[in-house]
Amino acid sequence: KQEVTQIPAALSVPEGENLVLNCSFTDSAIYNLQWFRQDPGKGLTSLLLIQSSQREQTSGRLNASLDKSSGRSTLYIAASQPGDSATYLCAVLEYGNKLVFGAGTILRVKS
Amino acid sequence: DAGVIQSPRHEVTEMGQEVTLRCKPISGHDYLFWYRQTMMRGLELLIYFNNNVPIDDSGMPEDRFSAKMPNASFSTLKIQPSEPRDSAVYFCASQGIGEAFFGQGTRLTVV
Repeated sequence: KQEVTQIPAALSVPEGENLVLNCSFTDSAIYNLQWFRQDPGKGLTSLLLIQSSQREQTSGRLNASLDKSSGRSTLYIAASQPGDSATYLCAVLEYGNKLVFGAGTILRVKS
Repeated sequence: DAGVIQSPRHEVTEMGQEVTLRCKPISGHDYLFWYRQTMMRGLELLIYFNNNVPIDDSGMPEDRFSAKMPNASFSTLKIQPSEPRDSAVYFCASQGIGEAFFGQGTRLTVV
């Protein structure tokens, strides 16, 4: 059974810092990996999608990498801002199209 | 497209009552997912459909839960009878090729 783990569970940083969120998964037979953002009381917003054949994806200040063989992904946020404060969720899409989520990392960026 | 639309946004009901949650996926998406989110258990996949056909309902917690997708533009998740432990945020998501997109969720409170 696929298990997705995110470390750290919570992170508090001063504004302007670069930071890394980690995601690991136990079964490397995945179709893709997706990073989401969730604001309190809101739904999930897709940030980045990495196909299993890709190594990384970038969008603005966000960069996500994927090492499928080792079952790891990282989300790098450059020059963090208070508006980046949210919960960040990692999810892997298994063959059979089942999307399995980690528990998330709660990020707080202090101004 | 307006994205994935869920209704109602909030539902408060008494224990024992029937609850029906509704979802309109993004047009053209082949997959539809129902998730439940709680503080204790995070995001749990309840059931998902491909081309209106249920593929995996192993996450449905009990026979009190049922889901239908009568056509490509509509799905329901029904709980009958509802119990206080069903209180959670229920999300619907749809997916075509690539990213999954989530609705804003239905916050269910069973008193």
